[in-house]
Order: sequence, then C-alpha cells, then structure tokens
Amino acid sequence: KQEVTQIPAALSVPEGENLVLNCSFTDSAIYNLQWFRQDPGKGLTSLLLIQSSQREQTSGRLNASLDKSSGRSTLYIAASQPGDSATYLCAVTTDSWGKLQFGAGTQVVVTP
Amino acid sequence: SQTIHQWPATLVQPVGSPLSLECTVEGTSNPNLYWYRQAAGRGLQLLFYSVGIGQISSEVPQNLSASRPQDRQFILSSKKLLLSDSGFYLCAWSVSQVTGELFFGEGSRLTVL
Repeated sequence: KQEVTQIPAALSVPEGENLVLNCSFTDSAIYNLQWFRQDPGKGLTSLLLIQSSQREQTSGRLNASLDKSSGRSTLYIAASQPGDSATYLCAVTTDSWGKLQFGAGTQVVVTP
Repeated sequence: SQTIHQWPATLVQPVGSPLSLECTVEGTSNPNLYWYRQAAGRGLQLLFYSVGIGQISSEVPQNLSASRPQDRQFILSSKKLLLSDSGFYLCAWSVSQVTGELFFGEGSRLTVL
C-alpha cells in the first residue's frame, strides 16, 4: 500500500528565506506527483504537477523535483513571503483513474 | 476556463438527519469526479470517484453514498448522519482518460451534532 510522508510537519521561516519541503513515498510505481497549497478553511490549490517521466517542474518562485527511484520529491520556494504561509500537501497518483494518495502536509509560517 | 463549485459551504446537522452535498464542474466534458474528506487531525481520504454518468466507485465502506446524475454533477449523500461524518468535504475533477492534474473545489464543512 502506498504511503506518503511529509517532513517537517511544520516550518517557520523569516521572510526572504528559501523554503524546502520534503515528500517521500513508499511505492515508486506512480503516474505523477502533485503539490498543493491549502489556506485555512479553504480548498486545495494545485501548484505543480510532475509526471513520472519528469525530473522537475518550475512555476515562478516554485520548483519541484522528483526522484522516482528513491521515492522522493522536494518543493523549493524561493525568497519566501508572508503570503506563502499555508499548508503544503503532496500527493501521488496511484492508478490510471487519477486517484491521489496524500501526505499529511507541512504547515508553513513566513514571518515578516 | 474550467471552474468547480461546491455547496453548501458550511452545514450543521443533527445526528440522524439526511445529507446532500453538491458539486458541479463547468467548462469541460466527461470529467473524472472525486469526493475527498479531510477530518480533523487526519489526512485527505478518497471517498468516491466517478468516470461517467451513473458510474460510481466507493473507496471506503461507510455511511455515505454518491451519485452522478449528469455529466458534470456529483452529489454526496447520507440517509442518516453519524457524529463521525463531521469533516471537510472536497470535490475534485480531472480530465478523463488522462492522468493529469486534479482541481479541487472550495469545500463543504459539515458539523454533525
């Protein structure tokens, strides 16, 4: 059974520092990996999608890498801002129907 | 562009009462549709998914059911709510036949008292 782990569970950094969020999964047979952002009481916003054949994806200040063989992905957020404060979730697609297996998330606080 | 709507946004219901949460997607055809639940202190759990009208797959045996009466409409229901049904319910969609991005709605928060 696929298990997804996110470390750390919580992170606090001063504004301007780079953020590094980790995600690991136990079964490398994934279709893709997706990073989401969740603000308190809100739904999930898709940040980046990495297909299983890709090594990384970039969008603005966000960069996500994928090492399928070792079961790891890392989300980098450059030059963090207070508006980046949120919970970040990673999820892997485990079958062709698009079902996601989620990690528990990393709660990020960026202090001004 | 595609959008997804969920309602109601919040709901407080007594134990034993029925439930109906609705989700609609606009701007796409024949999407895959999903219901997830996020309970306090727990991760996101897939409850149901659907690849077409009337086609529902259940992931977890429980007090809930789902229906897809129209291509872009997905409904989560219960005949009699339990305290353990409290949580944040999220509907999501993806392009069918392609393993791509999932897009989530704003969620419906259910409190069962």
